[in-house]
Amino acid sequence: GQQLNQSPQSMFIQEGEDVSMNCTSSSIFNTWLWYKQDPGEGPVLLIALYKAGELTSNGRLTAQFGITRKDSFLNISASIPSDVGIYFCAGQKAAGNKLTFGGGTRVLVKP
Amino acid sequence: EAQVTQNPRYLITVTGKKLTVTCSQNMNHEYMSWYRQDPGLGLRQIYYSMNVEVTDKGDVPEGYKVSRKEKRNFPLILESPSPNQTSLYFCASTPNFGNEKLFFGSGTQLSVL
Repeated sequence: GQQLNQSPQSMFIQEGEDVSMNCTSSSIFNTWLWYKQDPGEGPVLLIALYKAGELTSNGRLTAQFGITRKDSFLNISASIPSDVGIYFCAGQKAAGNKLTFGGGTRVLVKP
Repeated sequence: EAQVTQNPRYLITVTGKKLTVTCSQNMNHEYMSWYRQDPGLGLRQIYYSMNVEVTDKGDVPEGYKVSRKEKRNFPLILESPSPNQTSLYFCASTPNFGNEKLFFGSGTQLSVL
């Protein structure tokens, strides 16, 4: 069954806000990844993390590899309308293993 | 342009009518995989292929078949579709097995009535 739990399941953003989401597991993963799925498209890799405690940025996005190796966090600073979509975390237990995906966090714009 | 191409984008069919969803990549990737996406469940792997003529089951293979006769193509076959196979399907590829950087197609929304 699914091993990665993403929170929140959905969120509304207002332009300019900072937003955070996380991904937790009962198992240890040695690689964490964050993908974004735009409406009507397939997921695209945003950030890959390879070391516990690692903090990596990609533009306004920053992701962290939790020190327990059981969680990861994604922050979006100064959100803009094109940040809407579904953000998926994925974990890989060891190099060469397949990925396990979380259920996704859906980001929507406040009306 | 490097890409993974799936066809069709949308498909509505009836229970029991065999269908094939095609997937092609132009990046000479060895590894290809099929996922289904359902609300709240994320992406679950159906089948994968590590190279030509090498395929294996993922987490949810029941009701699906695949083939890998050529490196670039990896079709997904539903011999007798059922309503519980209504889902959004993604094909993905990566240079080799275990490479975490997957490239995804744009998806196929399948509805089985």
